[in-house]
Amino acid sequence: GAVVSQHPSRVICKSGTSVKIECRSLDFQATTMFWYRQFPKQSLMLMATSNEGSKATYEQGVEKDKFLINHASLTLSTLTVTSAHPEDSSFYICSATRSANYGYTFGSGTRLTVV
Amino acid sequence: GDSVTQMEGPVTLSEEAFLTINCTYTATGYPSLFWYVQYPGEGLQLLLKATKADDKGSNKGFEATYRKETTSFHLEKGSVQVSDSAVYFCALSPPGGNEKLTFGTGTRLTIIP
Repeated sequence: GAVVSQHPSRVICKSGTSVKIECRSLDFQATTMFWYRQFPKQSLMLMATSNEGSKATYEQGVEKDKFLINHASLTLSTLTVTSAHPEDSSFYICSATRSANYGYTFGSGTRLTVV
Repeated sequence: GDSVTQMEGPVTLSEEAFLTINCTYTATGYPSLFWYVQYPGEGLQLLLKATKADDKGSNKGFEATYRKETTSFHLEKGSVQVSDSAVYFCALSPPGGNEKLTFGTGTRLTIIP
């Protein structure tokens, strides 16, 4: 079946530094990838949608200069949290799809803690 | 815009009990409806889905029926097991295409032996 690998699973960083999270589709080509953020006891909120080779489409209220998304190949998308602050601490999760018929496959998520 | 309202948890049941987790939605047209499950420390996994009215999705003993008239997609299981302990998310997507998912808040289910 379709597998998506997300790395790292946990990261702790200092305020002001940048953190990169990778999302890889291991056995299929992902034409579209999605990045979500999950706050404690809350649902997943879509941050952005990225299509291979084009700029990501950000949801309203998401700072594109802070959350840089790159989808340079059909198997890899990255989310970089720039100049991280404690309020950026959250659970970030990606999903990938190759077409509507195949549905969405989720990564295992990344727990980011900014201290 | 689209939205999903899901029964709040946490829900705690004894093994072999009957489970219902309510989910209602607001959307235009005929969205596709999903239930995802998130086991501790893991990502979301698709549990079941339905793409049109009156469809019943089923998997691992879980069932949900797409009810257009009540805009609902309640999750049910006749006899839960300890291994069913997880967080369950109801979600929808617009019909067709690689569209984004809109999630409910999630319901944490704990099954006691």
